[in-house]
Amino acid sequence: ETGVTQSPTHLIKTRGQQVTLRCSSQSGHNTVSWYQQALGQGPQFIFQYYREEENGRGNFPPRFSGLQFPNYSSELNVNALELDDSALYLCASSFDPGTRSGANVLTFGAGSRLTVL
Amino acid sequence: QKEVEQDPGPLSVPEGAIVSLNCTYSNSAFQYFMWYRQYSRKGPELLMYTYSSGNKEDGRFTAQVDKSSKYISLFIRDSQPSDSATYLCAMSDSNYQLIWGAGTKLIIKP
Repeated sequence: ETGVTQSPTHLIKTRGQQVTLRCSSQSGHNTVSWYQQALGQGPQFIFQYYREEENGRGNFPPRFSGLQFPNYSSELNVNALELDDSALYLCASSFDPGTRSGANVLTFGAGSRLTVL
Repeated sequence: QKEVEQDPGPLSVPEGAIVSLNCTYSNSAFQYFMWYRQYSRKGPELLMYTYSSGNKEDGRFTAQVDKSSKYISLFIRDSQPSDSATYLCAMSDSNYQLIWGAGTKLIIKP
């Protein structure tokens, strides 16, 4: 059973550029959540995808967008990068039997560390 | 005021000590409570998962939830240097997102 894998592990961008981060969910999982973790802080919820549809969104602007594919892998896209977007971006997958509840156990990947200069 | 408060530490204790980590929260709707461990340059790893109030034990780890006080704790017995990491509490109502504490950095000295 493979875990959650994210790519790239590290990347450096300049302000105003766009970035795409990728996530392969754990086998058997159908839900993907994305979190932003600034240095020294806890993760902040960006959004969640369930069966290819956005299932909820945190307090992030529209320039943060995502996709989930039929194989349950996912992408996070960030447009018009700002310096404050520098953070560790975590992807977590889980299995939701259809309740869409907070009871589901998340399995996290190692994250993609984004630096915006 | 943040929804979830957690002392960032660092907390430094000698090997073999009992460690107590805590979080307080303000939202009485939270009913799912979790503790995650995060090593440097890694993603969070689930340690303990508790629904509603009460205690849960798993090996050297014990999680306690006191909903009346809006206070949760994680105890680590016989602490080991390999337990050195950042410990994050997270909680949720019946909704889809987790609300996290800032994490406590724990250092176990050999």
